[in-house]
Amino acid sequence: DIQMTQSPSTLSASVGDRVTITCRASQSISSWLAWYQQKPGKAPKLLIYKASTLESGVPSRFSGSGSGTEFTLTISSLQPDDFATYYCQQYNDYSTFGQGTKLDIK
Amino acid sequence: EVELVESGGGLVKPGGSLRLSCAASRFTFTNAWMSWVRQAPGKGLEWVGRIKSKTDGGTTDYAAPVKGRFTISRDDSKNTLYLQMHSLKTEDTAVYYCTTDSSYYGFDYWGQGTLVTVSS
Repeated sequence: DIQMTQSPSTLSASVGDRVTITCRASQSISSWLAWYQQKPGKAPKLLIYKASTLESGVPSRFSGSGSGTEFTLTISSLQPDDFATYYCQQYNDYSTFGQGTKLDIK
Repeated sequence: EVELVESGGGLVKPGGSLRLSCAASRFTFTNAWMSWVRQAPGKGLEWVGRIKSKTDGGTTDYAAPVKGRFTISRDDSKNTLYLQMHSLKTEDTAVYYCTTDSSYYGFDYWGQGTLVTVSS
């Protein structure tokens, strides 16, 4: 099974900050990686698929990069609506999620 | 807009059974692979299993913690996905989401979830 390790687990930041979340796969997953945003009591929302492609309607301040085993999600300038929990997911071999990164207000 | 609506959650005793449903609309359900994902209270997301479209064989795959206890099925005539759960354990307590499962996009559409509580 492919394991996904996300870091950090929590991240405190301010509006306007640039933040980066990292996701590491236990073996190569090519570019079959997605990022999701989840707010309390809501279903996850797809932000990025195939490691770097922005889902339709997602603001351009979100970006993804990486391939193989190392991936990052970057938010270029945090907005109040961005404080949420973020998950990476590999879908190269079945599916595995990272443990999540809670982004909260500093 | 794609719509997925789960139902069937509730309180069940350990060792019991429950069947969840997911009604799909506004997309071609027959062609879609579908997955179930769960989230225990205060915890992260966990993939439960998936079913391929009948065109692609209609086969199922499961995560290790549920294999042999859970069964995913689909009724394309009713645009409905099912999750039959047997031998439920307290650790199966979670919100269960149905999702579309794309080999290109990942899990692009999600339902609102249904809560399953396993407790005596």
